[in-house]
Amino acid sequence: DAGVTQSPTHLIKTRGQQVTLRCSPKSGHDTVSWYQQALGQGPQFIFQYYEEEERQRGNFPDRFSGHQFPNYSSELNVNALLLGDSALYLCASSSGRKAFFGQGTRLTVV
Amino acid sequence: DAKTTQPNSMESNEEEPVHLPCNHSTISGTDYIHWYRQLPSQGPEYVIHGLTSNVNNRMASLAIAEDRKSSTLILHRATLRDAAVYYCILRGFYYGGSQGNLIFGKGTKLSVKP
Repeated sequence: DAGVTQSPTHLIKTRGQQVTLRCSPKSGHDTVSWYQQALGQGPQFIFQYYEEEERQRGNFPDRFSGHQFPNYSSELNVNALLLGDSALYLCASSSGRKAFFGQGTRLTVV
Repeated sequence: DAKTTQPNSMESNEEEPVHLPCNHSTISGTDYIHWYRQLPSQGPEYVIHGLTSNVNNRMASLAIAEDRKSSTLILHRATLRDAAVYYCILRGFYYGGSQGNLIFGKGTKLSVKP
């Protein structure tokens, strides 16, 4: 059983560009959450998708948006990239009370 | 959201037990106590969770104080592979149908010496 998979693993973008990150949840998981982890910090919650709707949102600007597809996979979109958006972006899928994380996408904005 | 307090770092010797403390004095009655760990260059990994009673699984044990204002993650025999950042997290239930999100602090960086 494949766990949570994220693509791409690494990405370099220029300030002002837009980026799309992708996540495939663990088989059977219907809830997907996205987190941003800056260097040396714990992950910060961005938003959560369940039944193709955004159910919860953390303290992130509208430049961060997402989508969940009928097969439960999800995308995270970030518009108008800033240097401060450079971070590891983590996707997690949930079954009951346990969350399973992917390896993350390392985004570098230059 | 309820917060947790953990030491920034701890050291342990290989094959000795490790007790990682966590304070959560503002915990509510419906908050579960979760522990995750993050090995270098990996995403966080679920370790254990509990509500009121002590819990054991193949990875660790969770000891919860009677007043629930603190808890301790116990690794019975630390190995070099246990070197990671350990996060203590309170997770509530979101009544919109999905689970409450995880609120991570800075965690405790555990170093294991051979």
